[in-house]
Amino acid sequence: EPEVTQTPSHQVTQMGQEVILRCVPISNHLYFYWYRQILGQKVEFLVSFYNNEISEKSEIFDDQFSVERPDGSNFTLKIRSTKLEDSAMYFCASSRTTTGLNTEAFFGQGTRLTVV
Amino acid sequence: GESVGLHLPTLSVQEGDNSIINCAYSNSASDYFIWYKQESGKGPQFIIDIRSNMDKRQGQRVTVLLNKTVKHLSLQIAATQPGDSAVYFCAEITCSSGNTPLVFGKGTRLSVIA
Repeated sequence: EPEVTQTPSHQVTQMGQEVILRCVPISNHLYFYWYRQILGQKVEFLVSFYNNEISEKSEIFDDQFSVERPDGSNFTLKIRSTKLEDSAMYFCASSRTTTGLNTEAFFGQGTRLTVV
Repeated sequence: GESVGLHLPTLSVQEGDNSIINCAYSNSASDYFIWYKQESGKGPQFIIDIRSNMDKRQGQRVTVLLNKTVKHLSLQIAATQPGDSAVYFCAEITCSSGNTPLVFGKGTRLSVIA
């Protein structure tokens, strides 16, 4: 069964450092998403990506964040200068079409980011 | 602001009993709702969805009920099993606004007692 894969599973970084979280969406999907979940809190939308550009982003997704699809398979989230409050689980998701009626978004296992 | 939230943060259920997990939403424009299950260390997993023009939808052992009058959504799990132990999130989308992101509620932890 096709699945969304994320690497690494756990990333520990020093405050101020840059991190890149990697995702391989399901191959025939066209829409890609990043969400994050701070420990004990709800899953929060960060950004959606379609046709090689951001289609929507939340207030959380400020200038420190960027996304890229460098090739035909990877979808990355970069945080330029990490802050302590960036510590969270980051989930990548993909969907065949726009999420909505009868269109399921598939989530990866997540990358746990710990900023120290 | 508009939000999706849950009444109870935790729920303990005896194995074999039915579970009911509730969710309140405040955006009256929401037209599509989804329940996700999240097991420890894993990403959210789709369980069941429902459109706003429906009030009930059944899956395998799960039923989602939607009451638009009071903006309430519930997930019923029949004959709860230990494998159902997880955090359950409701999420909503406003499809009429185009490609809107999923808005998740905070989650309810379901613990099944064997």
